[in-house]
Amino acid sequence: GESVGLHLPTLSVQEGDNSIINCAYSNSASDYFIWYKQESGKGPQFIIDIRSNMDKRQGQRVTVLLNKTVKHLSLQIAATQPGDSAVYFCAASPRGSNYKLTFGKGTLLTVNP
Amino acid sequence: EPEVTQTPSHQVTQMGQEVILRCVPISNHLYFYWYRQILGQKVEFLVSFYNNEISEKSEIFDDQFSVERPDGSNFTLKIRSTKLEDSAMYFCAGTLQGISPLHFGNGTRLTVT
Repeated sequence: GESVGLHLPTLSVQEGDNSIINCAYSNSASDYFIWYKQESGKGPQFIIDIRSNMDKRQGQRVTVLLNKTVKHLSLQIAATQPGDSAVYFCAASPRGSNYKLTFGKGTLLTVNP
Repeated sequence: EPEVTQTPSHQVTQMGQEVILRCVPISNHLYFYWYRQILGQKVEFLVSFYNNEISEKSEIFDDQFSVERPDGSNFTLKIRSTKLEDSAMYFCAGTLQGISPLHFGNGTRLTVT
């Protein structure tokens, strides 16, 4: 089965800095990857996703990089703001499973003013 | 922006009792899911539901669990005889189809005493 893990449970950055959150997955059959943000008392909020036929995808202030060779995924947040403080989860889904996501444990991002 | 709505936000029940957790998905979504998150642990897949039947389920989703979409609007998760270890946040999620990301509700916190 799939195993998804985040490299660091916590990350603290200064406002305005760029943040990088890393994630590793184990199943080479995974073909869909997604990052969620979770604020206290709320459900996971979609940030950005990427399929295995791509290695980079950009959104507003966020970039996801996928390295299938080493089974590594990262989320880059540009110009981090205090409102970005939350727990960030990566998740992966195997081909054909239709969103049977395996989540990592989460990285708590704290943005210091 | 349309939201996935879950009720109640917090449910307390005694061990052995039945509970029903309710979700109102986004109206044009076709695929529905339940995930759960035990305190301090990963978000875990329970079940996916499409076209009024279960598409996939995890090992957690045993005979004590059931789902239904009785009226084309609500999507419910029933636990027939709750156990202490069922205490968790339960998240409902939905998607329009396989190309759009999962949208989660804010969850129901289930506490079994």
